[in-house]
Amino acid sequence: NAGVTQTPKFQVLKTGQSMTLQCAQDMNHEYMSWYRQDPGMGLRLIHYSVGAGITDQGEVPNGYNVSRSTTEDFPLRLLSAAPSQTSVYFCASSPRQVINTEAFFGQGTRLTVV
Amino acid sequence: TQLLEQSPQFLSIQEGENLTVYCNSSSVFSSLQWYRQEPGEGPVLLVTVVTGGEVKKLKRLTFQFGDARKDSSLHITAAQPGDTGLYLCAGVSGTYKYIFGTGTRLKVLA
Repeated sequence: NAGVTQTPKFQVLKTGQSMTLQCAQDMNHEYMSWYRQDPGMGLRLIHYSVGAGITDQGEVPNGYNVSRSTTEDFPLRLLSAAPSQTSVYFCASSPRQVINTEAFFGQGTRLTVV
Repeated sequence: TQLLEQSPQFLSIQEGENLTVYCNSSSVFSSLQWYRQEPGEGPVLLVTVVTGGEVKKLKRLTFQFGDARKDSSLHITAAQPGDTGLYLCAGVSGTYKYIFGTGTRLKVLA
């Protein structure tokens, strides 16, 4: 079972470059989200989507864009990379009802901006 | 902004010892989850607690949700090296939002 697949696993960018982090899930989950993980700060929500065509901002959305054209895919775009965006990025998905359901995470993308 | 503070941030103990990790907030959550994360992997769900005062046991792990649904604790009895990892609490807020705690990094020495 593939679950949530993130690509790439590692990436180094120069300041000002743009790139897209890919996330795909094969569980037909409606809810998908992107988090960044920094030491001592847990996981912080960047953007989330409750279904195809619907996205919303989380805690730390600046510098990132998302779109959700299909149920399966939820790419995260960095418009102009900055050193402050150096982090580990996780994509997660869950079924519609959140209270008793689990968030399934990908393996993460470790991004370094130099 | 809803915050979940975990304590301690780091914990290094000997095999066989007991420990408790705390997750505290000023906000009320619909439910609270605990995840464990190993290096190079995403977090994996351990348990969900829904009712204030609820206690759930998972082998040597005991999870409790505060009466007011603002805080939670994770107690591990007789810790083993396999318990090593990053423990994250997550409060479920509104319909779709998970608010994650700051994390507790546990190392159990053999």
